[in-house]
Amino acid sequence: AQSVAQPEDQVNVAEGNPLTVKCTYSVSGNPYLFWYVQYPNRGLQFLLKYITGDNLVKGSYGFEAEFNKSQTSFHLKKPSALVSDSALYFCAVRDRGRGDKLIFGTGTRLQVFP
Amino acid sequence: DAMVIQNPRYQVTQFGKPVTLSCSQTLNHNVMYWYQQKSSQAPKLLFHYYDKDFNNEADTPDNFQSRRPNTSFCFLDIRSPGLGDAAMYLCATSREQGGRNEQYFGPGTRLTVT
Repeated sequence: AQSVAQPEDQVNVAEGNPLTVKCTYSVSGNPYLFWYVQYPNRGLQFLLKYITGDNLVKGSYGFEAEFNKSQTSFHLKKPSALVSDSALYFCAVRDRGRGDKLIFGTGTRLQVFP
Repeated sequence: DAMVIQNPRYQVTQFGKPVTLSCSQTLNHNVMYWYQQKSSQAPKLLFHYYDKDFNNEADTPDNFQSRRPNTSFCFLDIRSPGLGDAAMYLCATSREQGGRNEQYFGPGTRLTVT
């Protein structure tokens, strides 16, 4: 069965420090992977995706993610966290059996402290 | 410029009283999705359209219906809302390309059932 896992419910980091939000996946074949961010009372916003090519993907707001096939991971990173990065982050993988559907992880709440 | 618009942003309805949520898009995307999201959980897909081709999720209750009269508009009808249907409802769109494209989300409609 296809799935994504976000092992941390919450990540706390001080402003200015690097941040990592973890995601691992389980799919057959090559995965299409996505990160979305959700601010309070808002819809999800697309951050970045990995489809093919360079394992390091750069996205919006200074975020990047590294696709690691051997570790089946797609961790989201940012070199220097901002208080405004505090939000709920979702990792997702394309549902290979169903075209354009996504399978979402359970979400990780990122809290950046001043 | 708003690309996926949801109205209303907040909706209060009474137990058992039918309610309709609306979504419109200016992206001309052929795929439209309706998700239900409860208290910071992952969005749960209710159904989606490829153009006018309707795809229902197996576990979507019969109480939930949808209409897509044209490319731009999509409606979610809840025939007899129960207290358990209180949630954020998210509309999203994408351009069909075998799952490579990201989804664009609206801001959501928060439904309260009294």
